Amino acid sequence: NAGVTQTPKFQVLKTGQSMTLQCAQDMNHNSMYWYRQDPGMGLRLIYYSASEGTTDKGEVPNGYNVSRLNKREFSLRLESAAPSQTSVYFCASNRGSTDTQYFGPGTRLTVL
Amino acid sequence: AQSVTQPDIHITVSEGASLELRCNYSYGATPYLFWYVQSPGQGLQLLLKYFSGDTLVQGIKGFEAEFKRSQSSFNLRKPSVHWSDAAEYFCAVGAGSARQLTFGSGTQLTVLP
Repeated sequence: NAGVTQTPKFQVLKTGQSMTLQCAQDMNHNSMYWYRQDPGMGLRLIYYSASEGTTDKGEVPNGYNVSRLNKREFSLRLESAAPSQTSVYFCASNRGSTDTQYFGPGTRLTVL
Repeated sequence: AQSVTQPDIHITVSEGASLELRCNYSYGATPYLFWYVQSPGQGLQLLLKYFSGDTLVQGIKGFEAEFKRSQSSFNLRKPSVHWSDAAEYFCAVGAGSARQLTFGSGTQLTVLP
């Protein structure tokens, strides 16, 4: 039982490049989340998926898109990366609205 | 919308001393409250949570927290800190559910030998 896994662990992009961050969970959770963590700001919700087939915006969705590929996988895409998207990205999952969120190890992204 | 304030950016304590990390939230109804811990380069690990019921909740690693509705607080405590407790601690609040969490900016804990 690996919990929540994220790939890659590290990534460096140039401004304007695109990339997709992958997240998978093996806990049979219904809901999945993407956060970004910036120094001094805690974690901020980018997008979430309450259940397979649904996605909703969080606090900071601009510049990102998401896909809930199936119940296990939830990807985050940066179509045209900007330096302001340099951050650590965390994926999380839970069973539903009354359950604890469990976090992955994070992806450290640098946009030059 | 809900909000969370962790007033202490950095706290330093000696090993064996007691610890209290402060968390204040803003939300009209009863919130879902969490404390998470993050070690360097790692993800977040849940320490404890409050959804309803007993306002004093016990968590892992000897931590506890008390929900005080009148003060809109959910402070984290530990009677005797260990060197391995050095990490960053985040308080989070969910408005009516455990979905759209709002996190505080974190408190960095340093433990002196």
